[in-house]
Amino acid sequence: DAKTTQPPSMDCAEGRAANLPCNHSTISGNEYVYWYRQIHSQGPQYIIHGLKNNETNEMASLIITEDRKSSTLILPHATLRDTAVYYCIGTYAGNNRKLIWGLGTSLAVNP
Amino acid sequence: DTGVSQDPRHKITKRGQNVTFRCDPISEHNRLYWYRQTLGQGPEFLTYFQNEAQLEKSRLLSNRFSAERPKGSFSTLEIQRTEQGDSAMYLCASSHPLAEETQYFGPGTRLLVL
Repeated sequence: DAKTTQPPSMDCAEGRAANLPCNHSTISGNEYVYWYRQIHSQGPQYIIHGLKNNETNEMASLIITEDRKSSTLILPHATLRDTAVYYCIGTYAGNNRKLIWGLGTSLAVNP
Repeated sequence: DTGVSQDPRHKITKRGQNVTFRCDPISEHNRLYWYRQTLGQGPEFLTYFQNEAQLEKSRLLSNRFSAERPKGSFSTLEIQRTEQGDSAMYLCASSHPLAEETQYFGPGTRLLVL
């Protein structure tokens, strides 16, 4: 599974877009990029995943660079409830027997 | 609530005691995972089941830890002779066979070993 690197913390103003970067320079061609988040004292929550193309769902957008060495999770209009630790994980789809988690990015959304 | 449930939510025990945690996955989810999380760290994989079969165990999982999923539904995680280093949040997750890339997590069981 690809090793990922994320900034330890970020701040964002409420109502603004939050852009969370992730480097995964060792990702292989068939490894997906997954994003989960964990609100304090809760279990992690799946956000989105992608392989090559950009993806969007009701929670967020995922932008993956053409060389697939990095990606950005975008929360278009951050709210206070988006304050959480965001984890970027590289792993094989269909082989998702386990997720290898790093330390994530602690996002603070400020009023 | 049809999400993943875990019981108990909190457990305080004395060193050397045995503890058992239960996880009820979302119905029709055939895969069930156990993770452990300590303060300030990301979750750490422990083991996973596909139906009743335990398919992988982390090398970090000592022989004091055992997990079962006897009927392919709920699962239990037992820790024997607990140590202070076992203090952590124990997370359970499940996934659907048609959407294995998405793991749904329970609220966790927070264990404190005194």
